[in-house]
Amino acid sequence: EADIYQTPRYLVIGTGKKITLECSQTMGHDKMYWYQQDPGMELHLIHYSYGVNSTEKGDLSSESTVSRIRTEHFPLTLESARPSHTSQYLCASSDPSRGYTEAFFGQGTRLTVV
Amino acid sequence: GNSVTQMEGPVTLSEEAFLTINCTYTATGYPSLFWYVQYPGEGLQLLLKATKADDKGSNKGFEATYRKETTSFHLEKGSVQVSDSAVYFCALRPGQGAQKLVFGQGTRLTINP
Repeated sequence: EADIYQTPRYLVIGTGKKITLECSQTMGHDKMYWYQQDPGMELHLIHYSYGVNSTEKGDLSSESTVSRIRTEHFPLTLESARPSHTSQYLCASSDPSRGYTEAFFGQGTRLTVV
Repeated sequence: GNSVTQMEGPVTLSEEAFLTINCTYTATGYPSLFWYVQYPGEGLQLLLKATKADDKGSNKGFEATYRKETTSFHLEKGSVQVSDSAVYFCALRPGQGAQKLVFGQGTRLTINP
């Protein structure tokens, strides 16, 4: 059973607000990822991190930013939310003891910007 | 480049039917292959995996065999249940050292009683 948590599960927020989506894992994984899942279900990698103080942009350009100050914590921030940011956001981490071959996912945050 | 192509959905079957969801891939090197499942309102869970050619991954009655010659990793189950209704994603990790999963577009499966 994976121990990776995302909060909040659901968020409805007005345009222009700043939001932070939280992601925490208690497994000591050094690699963490954020995916954006569109209504058609497709997953797009938007950010990843190799460890503390490491952040990289993913395959899909995103206006969000991330930080990695602690191993267990990988928050995603939107400085000014827009309706186009409405989506499901999934956080994941991967296990060095298994050669990083698989990723463990949180339950996701469904964001709606009105 | 690296990519995964899945069978178009949605797929609707009756309980106890045989399931196949096709997945083919393009990759450099020797990828690891995965099937993930996403139940309604949840994140993704690893269903099964195979890390080299001819490996068969299996879990919960589902199976998939890594076929290098046809670059495929089709998901099968002999008798589906209503509880198998979910979205299924085929994915690859392109070769040793690569850190990022590449996902297919997902296939929504609905099982009717």
